[in-house]
Amino acid sequence: AQSVSQHNHHVILSEAASLELGCNYSYGGTVNLFWYVQYPGQHLQLLLKYFSGDPLVKGIKGFEAEFIKSKFSFNLRKPSVQWSDTAEYFCAVRSGGYQKVTFGTGTKLQVIP
Amino acid sequence: DTAVSQTPKYLVTQMGNDKSIKCEQNLGHDTMYWYKQDSKKFLKIMFSYNNKELIINETVPNRFSPKSPDKAHLNLHINSLELGDSAVYFCASSQGGGRARDYGYTFGSGTRLTVV
Repeated sequence: AQSVSQHNHHVILSEAASLELGCNYSYGGTVNLFWYVQYPGQHLQLLLKYFSGDPLVKGIKGFEAEFIKSKFSFNLRKPSVQWSDTAEYFCAVRSGGYQKVTFGTGTKLQVIP
Repeated sequence: DTAVSQTPKYLVTQMGNDKSIKCEQNLGHDTMYWYKQDSKKFLKIMFSYNNKELIINETVPNRFSPKSPDKAHLNLHINSLELGDSAVYFCASSQGGGRARDYGYTFGSGTRLTVV
């Protein structure tokens, strides 16, 4: 069974600080990887996704993520965060051709002006 | 136009009641899902339908029954509501399978269910 771990539950940063949120998954085969963002009181929105090819994926709003297969990781990064990035971030994985996407427990990011 | 729409947005009801949440997508996707997000923000899949066929049915009490009259609709009916059913329920859709490359979900805005 596939599983996703996000070790940072709550991250507090000042504006302009750099961000890295960890995500590890447990599945040895082909995976599709996603990061979703949920702003307060809103639904989840796709930030970026990885299927194949370049392991460094660029998403919306200046976010990027790097797939490191040997480490089973897909960490999310942003060089300089803004107050508007305050939200909950979810990593998700789908293995092989299986339809089910499994979500991590989420990381709450709080950016202080 | 809203891509995935859920109704109602808020639902407050008493224990023991039966309620339904509706979901419709106008994206032409062939797969729809129901996820439950608890108070700790943990997202757990409940059901998935592909072209009106149930393909994922996680360990969910049988008080929860999904119904998909067509591939653009996936409704969730809950019988005998319990306090622990209070959560935000998200509908989602995706174009999965075949040669489709976009496996990301499009989520609805959620239905906040409060059982009192």
